[in-house]
Amino acid sequence: DGGITQSPKYLFRKEGQNVTLSCEQNLNHDAMYWYRQDPGQGLRLIYYSQIVNDFQKGDIAEGYSVSREKKESFPLTVTSAQKNPTAFYLCASLASGSTGELFFGEGSRLTVL
Amino acid sequence: QKEVEQNSGPLSVPEGAIASLNCTYSDRGSQSFFWYRQYSGKSPELIMFIYSNGDKEDGRFTAQLNKASQYVSLLIRDSQPSDSATYLCAVGGGYQKVTFGTGTKLQVIP
Repeated sequence: DGGITQSPKYLFRKEGQNVTLSCEQNLNHDAMYWYRQDPGQGLRLIYYSQIVNDFQKGDIAEGYSVSREKKESFPLTVTSAQKNPTAFYLCASLASGSTGELFFGEGSRLTVL
Repeated sequence: QKEVEQNSGPLSVPEGAIASLNCTYSDRGSQSFFWYRQYSGKSPELIMFIYSNGDKEDGRFTAQLNKASQYVSLLIRDSQPSDSATYLCAVGGGYQKVTFGTGTKLQVIP
């Protein structure tokens, strides 16, 4: 089955630690996105990538980093510079030629202890 | 800065009634409009999209778009308890960047 796989689903981190969230898709989609969702809030764009080896900052990129070495993979690192990292993180992809119909993974819930 | 605004709710409707969810957006250049449903603790799933002014119907769902008023709505007919969720309005522009509203929580009362 085609889809987007995020891991881990739940992650606990101590303050000052970097963590990396995995996102893998087998939909052959060119564009991939990372969103953050806080309780009672909408989705805010962290980073997006429209092609391998290229990515752009979204609205809230500070304290995060990404890479796009393969079409299928778009990992997100939450660095210690992110002041309030506890949130629900969603990875999504978009087919070429699509006008914005996003396919989402199941999400990763990060809690900082 | 693009903005998409929704009433956070909760919007409570009795089972079998019509639920009406509304959304306004600020960027007149927006081209694509989406409604996602998100159950608590889950990821969003696309339920409707609309590109042209007017109505688009899919089963119990109707999306309505009025670009002149910068307004998009979602009607859910014969509402069911399983429709209880948060509905996110999303707006896309020419660079495939999608901006989301904060969502409206819908409660369908049996």
